[in-house]
Amino acid sequence: DAKTTQPPSMDCAEGRAANLPCNHSTISGNEYVYWYRQIHSQGPQYIIHGLKNNETNEMASLIITEDRKSSTLILPHATLRDTAVYYCIVITLMDSSYKLIFGSGTRLLVRP
Amino acid sequence: DAGVTQSPTHLIKTRGQQVTLRCSPKSGHDTVSWYQQALGQGPQFIFQYYEEEERQRGNFPDRFSGHQFPNYSSELNVNALLLGDSALYLCASSLVGSRGTTYEQYFGPGTRLTVT
Repeated sequence: DAKTTQPPSMDCAEGRAANLPCNHSTISGNEYVYWYRQIHSQGPQYIIHGLKNNETNEMASLIITEDRKSSTLILPHATLRDTAVYYCIVITLMDSSYKLIFGSGTRLLVRP
Repeated sequence: DAGVTQSPTHLIKTRGQQVTLRCSPKSGHDTVSWYQQALGQGPQFIFQYYEEEERQRGNFPDRFSGHQFPNYSSELNVNALLLGDSALYLCASSLVGSRGTTYEQYFGPGTRLTVT
């Protein structure tokens, strides 16, 4: 599985957009970018995933560069409840199933 | 609709003992994965079960074993416990879709294992 690089920590003000970057320069053509987050003392929570195109759902937007070597997770209006560790994961699907290889993630602190 | 449930919530064991952790997947899911999360680190993949068989395994010794039952629930067994096995053990369930389809993994709250 390709490795990812994320800043260890970031902060943003409540109500502002949080932009979390991720580098995955060794990603190959059939590998997906997944984002999960883990709020303190809870299990990780799926946020969004993408392959080539930008994606948006009710939680966030995912912007993938054209060369696919990096991506950005955008929380458009961060709230205090978005304070968590955010993991960017690159995976290869195997028979429609996959294992998640977590790195250290980015600890996002949303300030009041 | 119940999500992924795990039991027990907390557990304290002594070195050398054996432990069994349990996981019930989200309704409709057929695949269960287990992860170990040491304090301050990201979760580490242990193994995954589908159709009652282990289909993928991470870099964990044979002391870690598992089982999946016909109702898709799963157990994680750890023998000869070491102090280093102290961690949060997470179970995640998912649905194997048709080829080319992706489904996210839903995580349970975890079992906190302390080995003394």
